[in-house]
Amino acid sequence: DADVTQTPRNRITKTGKRIMLECSQTKGHDRMYWYRQDPGLGLRLIYYSFDVKDINKGEISDGYSVSRQAQAKFSLSLESAIPNQTALYFCATSDSQGGRTEAFFGQGTRLTVV
Amino acid sequence: QKEVEQDPGPLSVPEGAIVSLNCTYSNSAFQYFMWYRQYSRKGPELLMYTYSSGNKEDGRFTAQVDKSSKYISLFIRDSQPSDSATYLCAMSVSTGGFKTIFGAGTRLFVKA
Repeated sequence: DADVTQTPRNRITKTGKRIMLECSQTKGHDRMYWYRQDPGLGLRLIYYSFDVKDINKGEISDGYSVSRQAQAKFSLSLESAIPNQTALYFCATSDSQGGRTEAFFGQGTRLTVV
Repeated sequence: QKEVEQDPGPLSVPEGAIVSLNCTYSNSAFQYFMWYRQYSRKGPELLMYTYSSGNKEDGRFTAQVDKSSKYISLFIRDSQPSDSATYLCAMSVSTGGFKTIFGAGTRLFVKA
């Protein structure tokens, strides 16, 4: 099983619908992130969380919200989806200890808003 | 101006060629420099990681950081078709993956 699991892997939704993307991890890391990836723009940070009680906005948080239900679970919601939110979404985790800076990514969720 | 600039390519080379991938950046506070490799329909995976300036070698891969020029490079020797992927540079000020800034990624195709 993957260390960082995202569900669903693919989703097509209509404009105005609410949608939730879920992420769970078995790495035991305290930090979790949501990124979106667009061609030519790379990975951009939407939200990040350092622990269950800590939620922070990233570079492009407008139109998104998150919930850290447990250390291992971090979900991303689009309250009212719009077509320019069509993108590839990645959840990632990292460890605050050990002096490393590596992020571990899930397989991604391809979201299409029509 | 973006904090990290990376040519998206695509870059197409024959098998066995030496590949050079590059990024420039504007934030002189960056201290940690990473290269991630992303295969199609997969999440990025860390390939190499360098702290501050200098070179780091791992098998066929060499990462170089020139902080004076704000320029980092990844060299791939004896490139293989299995190296075909998107390569993303990434940089951060601190450890733990906090506020890592990613480049746009360069798509590399190695032809057999």
